[in-house]
Amino acid sequence: EVVLTQSPGTLSLSPGERVTLSCRASQSVSSNFLAWYQQRPGQAPRLLIYATSSRASGIPDRFGGSGSGTDFTLTISRLEPEDFAVYYCQQYGSSVETFGQGTKVEIK
Amino acid sequence: EVQLVQSGAEVKKPGESLKISCKASGYSFSSYWIGWVRQMPGKGLEWMGIIFPGGSETRYNPSFQGHVTMSADKSKSTAYLQWSSLKASDTAIYYCARRYYGSGSHAAPDSWGQGTLVTVSS
Repeated sequence: EVVLTQSPGTLSLSPGERVTLSCRASQSVSSNFLAWYQQRPGQAPRLLIYATSSRASGIPDRFGGSGSGTDFTLTISRLEPEDFAVYYCQQYGSSVETFGQGTKVEIK
Repeated sequence: EVQLVQSGAEVKKPGESLKISCKASGYSFSSYWIGWVRQMPGKGLEWMGIIFPGGSETRYNPSFQGHVTMSADKSKSTAYLQWSSLKASDTAIYYCARRYYGSGSHAAPDSWGQGTLVTVSS
């Protein structure tokens, strides 16, 4: 099973700041099938990025994904008030898919 | 518009059975895999498995296999997740999601249901 480790656990930031979230895999993610999700309290997860760097439909271009192999990054170029949430990475390239434990982005 | 509408919250006792549903609309139900995800109270997301409604192929997380069963009814455009004997540790929100971005079963989900809260308590 591919274990995904996200860091940091929590980020305290102000609107307008740039955010970089990390997701590290215990082994190489097949075909770079790595996705990022945003989850706000009381809501279902929302897909932001798929296949490492492709934005899902309707996702603002301030969200960007990068990486390969075992190291992946989600970048939010400029935090908006609605971006304060929990972010999860997921690998869907292996027969058993896995999620990271999440990174909470909170208002400073 | 693609929509996945899940059945309502359930309160059950340990040992009871349960079947929750995820009704799809706005697309060809048989053409896309559906996945299930668990979220225990205050915790992260856990991948449970996926099903292809067009052929009822399934792929389970070994951690859940044998305890839950995924199924789909093409005539009703509905996917199901069921338990024959619930445990208190099954208390969680369960989400279904259409797998869209990718090929075959290795696709990221674009649309999610609203979640079904299952509470198991004596």
